[in-house]
Amino acid sequence: DSGVTQTPKHLITATGQRVTLRCSPRSGDLSVYWYQQSLDQGLQFLIQYYNGEERAKGNILERFSAQQFPDLHSELNLSSLELGDSALYFCASSRLPGLAGGSSYNEQFFGPGTRLTVL
Amino acid sequence: DAKTTQPPSMDCAEGRAANLPCNHSTISGNEYVYWYRQIHSQGPQYIIHGLKNNETNEMASLIITEDRKSSTLILPHATLRDTAVYYCIVRVVGTQGGSEKLVFGKGTKLTVNP
Repeated sequence: DSGVTQTPKHLITATGQRVTLRCSPRSGDLSVYWYQQSLDQGLQFLIQYYNGEERAKGNILERFSAQQFPDLHSELNLSSLELGDSALYFCASSRLPGLAGGSSYNEQFFGPGTRLTVL
Repeated sequence: DAKTTQPPSMDCAEGRAANLPCNHSTISGNEYVYWYRQIHSQGPQYIIHGLKNNETNEMASLIITEDRKSSTLILPHATLRDTAVYYCIVRVVGTQGGSEKLVFGKGTKLTVNP
């Protein structure tokens, strides 16, 4: 158990719908990351938040958005869902992001994931 | 982003050492190599990281070549529970303070056989 919780575990919805995935980071972790894992694209970084602010962006679609709240939990909102959005969505957290050139590393702890199925 | 290349799959006998190679020929001088693994469909798990010196922890050892263009993750005594996909990652740290992203490749599917 990594200490990162994600809800729901499974989500089945229809095309065109909107869903919200929730992530609670480990106690004390300030940074939250979202990843998407699909069969054809593999594990892809979507977005990172650090202490409530967006800090890094990956291949996140415009239909997707995220935020990190004052209590540090995060939500990933997926709208106008398409069949291709079916995937495992992972949230990860770390105490702090690592600093460039630093030998110390704040590893990312991954949650169990939310499996989204779009029908 | 520095790219990594790994063999798609490897097999190892239980109790033997598993040696997983990774090529990262475009790595920059201050970029670290990180290894994560993913067991079945669980969330990835951090294993080890290094810059240029060999590193060892309770899970594994990491050997980085002198030119830093490749590395090898070593699981000294592989068990059935080590069956997983192993990802070699060159960590990207952004110029904006506090930004970081992990760029996962396709990884190596390691199967430990009894």
